[in-house]
Amino acid sequence: NAGVTQTPKFQVLKTGQSMTLQCAQDMNHEYMSWYRQDPGMGLRLIHYSVGAGITDQGEVPNGYNVSRSTTEDFPLRLLSAAPSQTSVYFCASSRDTPSGEYNEQFFGPGTRLTVL
Amino acid sequence: DQQVKQNSPSLSVQEGRISILNCDYTNSMFDYFLWYKKYPAEGPTFLISISSIKDKNEDGRFTVFLNKSAKHLSLHIVPSQPGDSAVYFCAAVGSSNTGKLIFGQGTTLQVKP
Repeated sequence: NAGVTQTPKFQVLKTGQSMTLQCAQDMNHEYMSWYRQDPGMGLRLIHYSVGAGITDQGEVPNGYNVSRSTTEDFPLRLLSAAPSQTSVYFCASSRDTPSGEYNEQFFGPGTRLTVL
Repeated sequence: DQQVKQNSPSLSVQEGRISILNCDYTNSMFDYFLWYKKYPAEGPTFLISISSIKDKNEDGRFTVFLNKSAKHLSLHIVPSQPGDSAVYFCAAVGSSNTGKLIFGQGTTLQVKP
């Protein structure tokens, strides 16, 4: 299993450009999430999905769009990049669990995005 | 409003000694608390978890303690090893079925040989 893969590893954008960060998992996990990591802020949830066709907003959703057409893929779209979106982005996935249990989230290696 | 807080940005300990990383939270509705470990240029990896109905969970050298009345949890690493040097994130989840983790700011642990 490749686990959770993310592309690209690095990206530099100019303000106003658009791009899509790719995320894929081969573990047949129901749940997928996008986080951003900023210095002194930890990881903050952007959007998440509990299954194909179902997405919802996290703590910091503004400026980002997501869709989940398949179980495997969960792309993150920046429609008009801003310098405030300079960050490291992590995708994660986990299995559905019975209530009262916890299943760990598996994280990808991250995408380092710089917006000039 | 930060629901999960790690007030110590860094910690340095000697190899073989105990490392204690602390975390505070404000939301009493959290069901699970987790610790993730992160090396540079890698994604976080799961370390250990504890249910809100327990006060201790142990896995090898790692033990997590939960004090619900104080809304405080801690991670103990005994003995500490140089390979434990990393950023440690405390996280909480309100429902185990959504994968919506709320993370603290992280604590950088350095274990000196």
